[in-house]
Amino acid sequence: AQRVTQPEKLLSVFKGAPVELKCNYSYSGSPELFWYVQYSRQRLQLLLRHISRESIKGFTADLNKGETSFHLKKPFAQEEDSAMYYCALGVGATNKLIFGTGTLLAVQP
Amino acid sequence: EAQVTQNPRYLITVTGKKLTVTCSQNMNHEYMSWYRQDPGLGLRQIYYSMNVEVTDKGDVPEGYKVSRKEKRNFPLILESPSPNQTSLYFCASSLSPRVALETQYFGPGTRLLVL
Repeated sequence: AQRVTQPEKLLSVFKGAPVELKCNYSYSGSPELFWYVQYSRQRLQLLLRHISRESIKGFTADLNKGETSFHLKKPFAQEEDSAMYYCALGVGATNKLIFGTGTLLAVQP
Repeated sequence: EAQVTQNPRYLITVTGKKLTVTCSQNMNHEYMSWYRQDPGLGLRQIYYSMNVEVTDKGDVPEGYKVSRKEKRNFPLILESPSPNQTSLYFCASSLSPRVALETQYFGPGTRLLVL
């Protein structure tokens, strides 16, 4: 079955520390992967997608098909990065978008 | 401004009292959907619509209805709300029905409490 796993409900780091938000997926086909972010009192919005291969707000994510992972990374966390982060898997065969359970990132001053 | 709007933003109701949450987008998007967000469960899809008059069940459709009479609107109807429908609801839209590839644009959310 297609599934997205975000093992950490909460990740707390200090400002300036590296951040890695884990995302693993289960899908035998060719995946499309996204990271969405929800800042406090704001709507959910796209942060980045693997096909774009871009860095947004200092975040990057690399698709590792061997490990079926799409971890989100940032070398130096900022307080404004504190938010809820969702990893999502696009399944072309069924035209579904499957979200993980989310990780709350808290960046301490 | 291109966006997805939802109304109301907050709603407290009682068990069994029918309610409707509206969703509207001004981006001429074909695809619209409803999600509920619950702690520890993330976002789960309730219903979706590929285009006008085309709707289908998502992963958790029980207790909900939708309609898509116009391209811009996709209301969520709870005919007889129950406490287990207390949740945060999001409407989303995308340009094409190829949801696996498209960026989803989300509304601000509707927080519902059913007593």
